[in-house]
Amino acid sequence: GESVGLHLPTLSVQEGDNSIINCAYSNSASDYFIWYKQESGKGPQFIIDIRSNMDKRQGQRVTVLLNKTVKHLSLQIAATQPGDSAVYFCAETGRTGRRALTFGSGTRLQVQP
Amino acid sequence: NAGVTQTPKFRILKIGQSMTLQCTQDMNHNYMYWYRQDPGMGLKLIYYSVGAGITDKGEVPNGYNVSRSTTEDFPLRLELAAPSQTSVYFCASSDGATNEKLFFGSGTQLSVL
Repeated sequence: GESVGLHLPTLSVQEGDNSIINCAYSNSASDYFIWYKQESGKGPQFIIDIRSNMDKRQGQRVTVLLNKTVKHLSLQIAATQPGDSAVYFCAETGRTGRRALTFGSGTRLQVQP
Repeated sequence: NAGVTQTPKFRILKIGQSMTLQCTQDMNHNYMYWYRQDPGMGLKLIYYSVGAGITDKGEVPNGYNVSRSTTEDFPLRLELAAPSQTSVYFCASSDGATNEKLFFGSGTQLSVL
């Protein structure tokens, strides 16, 4: 069935290094993708989004790459900081409605000082 | 602005009890959503609404009901609580017209014993 999934459940990096979190999706009709950050005990917070007519989008210290050929999405965090430690979710426009997102299971990012 | 506000933050129910999770937003968003998040998992869509008076089922609607009498409020009702409904519930809203970015509340942690 249609799904959004992640390759690595946990990613551990050293402070100052760059982090790359990957996500695979299976619905080739998806046209909108979004990354959320969730800190312990809090609701998800928007990080960055990208539409299917783009293959790269940059924000502050974050970059999202979209490869529609292999249905792969990645989030790159530059100069990772301890405050970046959280669970990161990718999501896509789901089958239940154009603006009802389908979420992946998440990747936990641990930043070592 | 307060954004998306959920109450209560925590609740323990006995099997068979009922309760309503409250959600209100002050951003004048047309789209509102209810998600549940089980431990170590992503978010699953329960119900959503594209405007006052309009609701629709998501991926996991069984055991829940919703109503949308105003733009601001989107309560979620559990009629006969079951242990399988133990989860963290997140309400979210979005503009919808200009972007699909969801704003999330801080969540309600529900335990059914």
